[in-house]
Amino acid sequence: GQQLNQSPQSMFIQEGEDVSMNCTSSSIFNTWLWYKQDPGEGPVLLIALYKAGELTSNGRLTAQFGITRKDSFLNISASIPSDVGIYFCAGQLRGTSYGKLTFGQGTILTVHP
Amino acid sequence: DVKVTQSSRYLVKRTGEKVFLECVQDMDHENMFWYRQDPGLGLRLIYFSYDVKMKEKGDIPEGYSVSREKKERFSLILESASTNQTSMYLCASSLELAKNIQYFGAGTRLSVL
Repeated sequence: GQQLNQSPQSMFIQEGEDVSMNCTSSSIFNTWLWYKQDPGEGPVLLIALYKAGELTSNGRLTAQFGITRKDSFLNISASIPSDVGIYFCAGQLRGTSYGKLTFGQGTILTVHP
Repeated sequence: DVKVTQSSRYLVKRTGEKVFLECVQDMDHENMFWYRQDPGLGLRLIYFSYDVKMKEKGDIPEGYSVSREKKERFSLILESASTNQTSMYLCASSLELAKNIQYFGAGTRLSVL
C-alpha cells in the first residue's frame, strides 16, 4: 500500500507567491528526492537529499530531509508560470534495495499570471 | 544529457492482446526501470533490471513481464492486456543505484479497450 503521504494534492496560486509542499511517512527513509513532471513529459529530478537534516537549494527551490527521516518538504519561492506541473516526492525506504523508490501521490501546481 | 526514449507516446490495444513497450537509453546506464503512473497513486514500480538479462520484481509485477537482452534496451510486456492496465507507463534509467537518481522517458499512454 501507499507508504508516502504527499500534501497538498493540488494548489492554485498567484504568480509571485511562495509554495510549500511536503511528504510524510510512518517509515524511515534513507534518501529523499523531489521530481517535477511537465504536462506530456516524464518526471525530471529537482533535488536529491541523502542525510537527515540536509537542506539543499536549486535556484528558487529549497528542500529538506526531515530530522526524523520520515518526512521531507519542498519550497518554491516567487513562483512563475513555468512552475506549473506535478511535483512528486520519492524516497528509498530503509531496508529496501537501492533503486527501489516509493513515490508520493503528487502535488498538482497551477500558477495564475 | 541523458536520453531515455520510449518508442510510442500513445498506444491503443484490445483486451487479450500481447503488448510490447520499448525503452532505450543512450548513457550506458546499468539500471533500468518500468513504472506505471495513475492519478492519485503516483508512480508505482513494476520491474527493474540492474544488468543485462537480470530483472527484479517491483511492487506491482502481476500481469507484466520484462526483457533486457541488451544494456541499452528494456522492454515491458503485457502478456494478455486487460482494461485495468490502461495507464501511463514510464521508463527510467540510472547510473548508480546507490544515489537513487533516475532519469525518465516521456511516457507511453496505453489504452486497453
